[in-house]
Amino acid sequence: GESVGLHLPTLSVQEGDNSIINCAYSNSASDYFIWYKQESGKGPQFIIDIRSNMDKRQGQRVTVLLNKTVKHLSLQIAATQPGDSAVYFCAENFGGSQGNLIFGKGTKLSVKP
Amino acid sequence: SQTIHQWPATLVQPVGSPLSLECTVEGTSNPNLYWYRQAAGRGLQLLFYSVGIGQISSEVPQNLSASRPQDRQFILSSKKLLLSDSGFYLCAWSRGESQPQHFGDGTRLSIL
Repeated sequence: GESVGLHLPTLSVQEGDNSIINCAYSNSASDYFIWYKQESGKGPQFIIDIRSNMDKRQGQRVTVLLNKTVKHLSLQIAATQPGDSAVYFCAENFGGSQGNLIFGKGTKLSVKP
Repeated sequence: SQTIHQWPATLVQPVGSPLSLECTVEGTSNPNLYWYRQAAGRGLQLLFYSVGIGQISSEVPQNLSASRPQDRQFILSSKKLLLSDSGFYLCAWSRGESQPQHFGDGTRLSIL
């Protein structure tokens, strides 16, 4: 079964507010994590990744936090915009040259104007 | 830059008919290639992956098969489609371990 899951299936935020999407993973051997954004009818789009030797990584308007102690991953989106509305997936990789990922079920983010 | 192409974007097929979905990657060599299926409102289920030409690993038993005849070409096939094969099929590529996978825009397959 899946070892990656999400706390909240849906999240509704006001435009301009910050969004936080959470993800729990169960495999302590996982050493690489990714967040994807998927818009309706499209493939997942890479947002940001983080390796297990880090606990925070920042991109443009996004920050990923990794807490290995409690096996928790989060994605923070600053100043959320209507274009951020999508389903967000976390994924983990616990090694192997094939680079296989295990995906969570996703959180739907809705941004209210 | 690297790009990944999947076609067709949508496909409607009768039960029992064959299937061939194609995926090609440009701008990189010797990529890892993946086929996923995504049910409506659900996460991604890995079907097959390939680390090289002619090397295919299957993750779940099913009615589908995959082939990699060329370095940057990945094909998903079936001899006889079932109703349960309906779904959104996604192809992806990566450079390997601890590297992001990059997805195509998928094929929406409907079986009638």
